[in-house]
Amino acid sequence: DGGITQSPKYLFRKEGQNVTLSCEQNLNHDAMYWYRQDPGQGLRLIYYSQIVNDFQKGDIAEGYSVSREKKESFPLTVTSAQKNPTAFYLCASSLRQGEAFFGQGTRLTVV
Amino acid sequence: QQQVKQSPQSLIVQKGGISIINCAYENTAFDYFPWYQQFPGKGPALLIAIRPDVSEKKEGRFTISFNKSAKQFSLHIMDSQPGDSATYFCAASIFGNEKLTFGTGTRLTIIP
Repeated sequence: DGGITQSPKYLFRKEGQNVTLSCEQNLNHDAMYWYRQDPGQGLRLIYYSQIVNDFQKGDIAEGYSVSREKKESFPLTVTSAQKNPTAFYLCASSLRQGEAFFGQGTRLTVV
Repeated sequence: QQQVKQSPQSLIVQKGGISIINCAYENTAFDYFPWYQQFPGKGPALLIAIRPDVSEKKEGRFTISFNKSAKQFSLHIMDSQPGDSATYFCAASIFGNEKLTFGTGTRLTIIP
């Protein structure tokens, strides 16, 4: 089945620890995105990539890093510089304007 | 700066009634306006979308109304059902740049 796979579904991070969220798609989409979702704030764009080996900062990139070495993969690292990382993280991909397909999300909690 | 404003934040509608969610945008360069539906613990899914060259688009019980001069668009859900209970997001994007700007979401609850 074609789609976007995010893993893990739940992730716990200790203070000062870097963690990496996985996102894989087999839809052959060029563009991929990472969004953060907090209650009452909608979806805010962290990073996006429109082509392999290229990516741009979104509205809330501080404390996060990404890579796009393969078309299918767009991992997100939440670094220790992100002071409030507890949130629901969503990965998406798109082929054409606006028709974004989302993964099932990763819920990150700081312990 | 919030470029897409969505209201209400939450909405309760009786089964069989009409649910209406509104969005307003500021950037006149936006030219694609999708609506997404999200169930708890899941990722959003595209519901319906419209471009500014039409004033209305209907798909089944879901209708988008678009007012270009007012820079507003709305989602109407006719004959609302309990299965429609979800969070709905409006969004906007600019041709040539696929990234979406989302509204803050509306939590819709349909009661029997």
